[in-house]
Amino acid sequence: QKEVEQDPGPLSVPEGAIVSLNCTYSNSAFQYFMWYRQYSRKGPELLMYTYSSGNKEDGRFTAQVDKSSKYISLFIRDSQPSDSATYLCAMSGFTGGGNKLTFGTGTQLKVEL
Amino acid sequence: NAGVTQTPKFRVLKTGQSMTLLCAQDMNHEYMYWYRQDPGMGLRLIHYSVGEGTTAKGEVPDGYNVSRLKKQNFLLGLESAAPSQTSVYFCASSRTDAYQPQHFGDGTRLSIL
Repeated sequence: QKEVEQDPGPLSVPEGAIVSLNCTYSNSAFQYFMWYRQYSRKGPELLMYTYSSGNKEDGRFTAQVDKSSKYISLFIRDSQPSDSATYLCAMSGFTGGGNKLTFGTGTQLKVEL
Repeated sequence: NAGVTQTPKFRVLKTGQSMTLLCAQDMNHEYMYWYRQDPGMGLRLIHYSVGEGTTAKGEVPDGYNVSRLKKQNFLLGLESAAPSQTSVYFCASSRTDAYQPQHFGDGTRLSIL
């Protein structure tokens, strides 16, 4: 079983919809959670990061962490065609050096006109 | 403001050939990483470095070597390429503070025939 599980999709939604992307994890040492967005043939770019449990909002994006359930979510409001990309969750615990991340496999999102 | 730059962007090799992938970052980051990304497998850490002159093995190090002779550069070498090494390779860098996000380059697409 993978440490981080993420539904690969593809997820197709109409423009303007609210999108919910999720990851579950098994390692209780994870304390720091990130979401990366990856466009086709590009590298992952950092979208959101949160420490421990709670919510964080940035524009149309909200990241949510529930450590008790080992579950994290990314919500996208008023989705746009430009949001079409693969979304990767990533997380980290104290490793003693290196800031290594464990990634989910990514969810492919398509926002249609 | 280039961030993380990877060269080459694309390469085709024959089985048994060798090559070196170059990663350069201009953010003065101490930590650097090499990943491979394969369908359904997500990003897997090959090797990483916590500073100039130091390297360490990641999750899938076999068949690869790395060097970090200068702080800004991290090289990934394939001594004898195999078809199983066909992948997209990403380099990333981060600061040393705990739980810092990683910043990625746009990748090198490598095909081994």
